[in-house]
Formats: sequence, C-alpha cells, structure tokens
Amino acid sequence: GAVVSQHPSWVICKSGTSVKIECRSLDFQATTMFWYRQFPKQSLMLMATSNEGSKATYEQGVEKDKFLINHASLTLSTLTVTSAHPEDSSFYICSARGPVGLAGYEQYFGPGTRLTVT
Amino acid sequence: RKEVEQDPGPFNVPEGATVAFNCTYSNSASQSFFWYRQDCRKEPKLLMSVYSSGNEDGRFTAQLNRASQYISLLIRDSKLSDSATYLCVVKRDYGQNFVFGPGTRLSVLP
Repeated sequence: GAVVSQHPSWVICKSGTSVKIECRSLDFQATTMFWYRQFPKQSLMLMATSNEGSKATYEQGVEKDKFLINHASLTLSTLTVTSAHPEDSSFYICSARGPVGLAGYEQYFGPGTRLTVT
Repeated sequence: RKEVEQDPGPFNVPEGATVAFNCTYSNSASQSFFWYRQDCRKEPKLLMSVYSSGNEDGRFTAQLNRASQYISLLIRDSKLSDSATYLCVVKRDYGQNFVFGPGTRLSVLP
C-alpha cells in the first residue's frame, strides 16, 4: 500500500525558535497533501491543504504566516512552525492524496510528529 | 453544532462483549464515510469504509443511514487489541478533505 513518512517523529524546541516538519510520499506521487493538528484527547483538525506547485489553502483560524507550508514536489511537503510557543505543542499529522484505491478512499496518513515547545 | 458528532465515551467493556458506536453528520452533501482507528500517539488508520448497503469485515459491521445522516460501527467478540479511539470520518465529495469526528475511546478489559 501507499506509504507516507514524516520527519522528525518528535521534536523538542525552545520558545521562539522555528521547526520544520517534512512529509513524504514514498511510493506514489501526491498532488495534494493535508496537514492536521491534534491536541491531547481531541480529534484531528485540518490546518491546511497543500497542492503541489501552488499556495496552500488554510482553514479558518490558522495563521498562514505562522505555519508556513511548502509543497515543492509531488513527493514532499513541509510545514514550518515559526516562532513556536508552548501552545503550539501538539501532534502534527500529514496525509497525502494519491492514486484512487478503494471507493472514495485515497488519502494516506503519515505517522505524525509530536512537537513540544518549552 | 459540529459537522460530525460521536458518542462521547469512553466505553469500557469486557473481552468478548459486543459494542456499538454511533455517529451523526450534519452536512447532507457528504458522500463518503469511513471508520478509522487511532491508537494512542499514533496516526489514524483506516478500519473500513461504510457503504449504503452496510458492510461487514470479520467482527466489524458498519451501517449507514443517509436519511437520518447516521453511521454506526458494531464490534462483536471484542478483543484486548480492539482498545483504541474510533473516529467517524466523512468526506463531502471526491477531492475534499476528511472531516473527523471527535472519536470514541474504547477500552476492552480482560
């Protein structure tokens, strides 16, 4: 099946620094990637939709200048959390849309990146 | 009102029990429906798609009622390994992102 990787799997950084998270589709070309955030005991919340070669579309309430998304190739999207603060500590998960599989299902999730800002 | 709502949980059941999860969605334009399973500190993984005619996969049975905008998941003969959070997911149409429900946590006890 299609595989999506994320790097790093966990990161601890100091307040005010920036952190870059990579999302790669390993065995398929992903024209669209999605970035989600999940706080403890809450469900996944979509942050932005990223299409290869164009600007990301951000969900309401998500600051595009704080969460920079780059989707420069069909296999890589990056999320940079700029000037991170403790409230940005969360589980960030990407997913990639690839070839159509089962009816209606074509989105594959990465293993997630746990960010802790101290 | 949230677009996708689920039983608040948690559900604590003994091994071998049958457990049912309920989910409702508010957007009548929703076209595709899924149940995902998420283990603690892991990414969600597809458990099964949900079809209008209902579908079964081993111990798992999913049902969809479009008129009531209601989805269910039934787990029979529950195992310890079924302990996880179950997420109801809907998608409006092809290409749109998934909308996740808040999840219902299940703990199967020995």
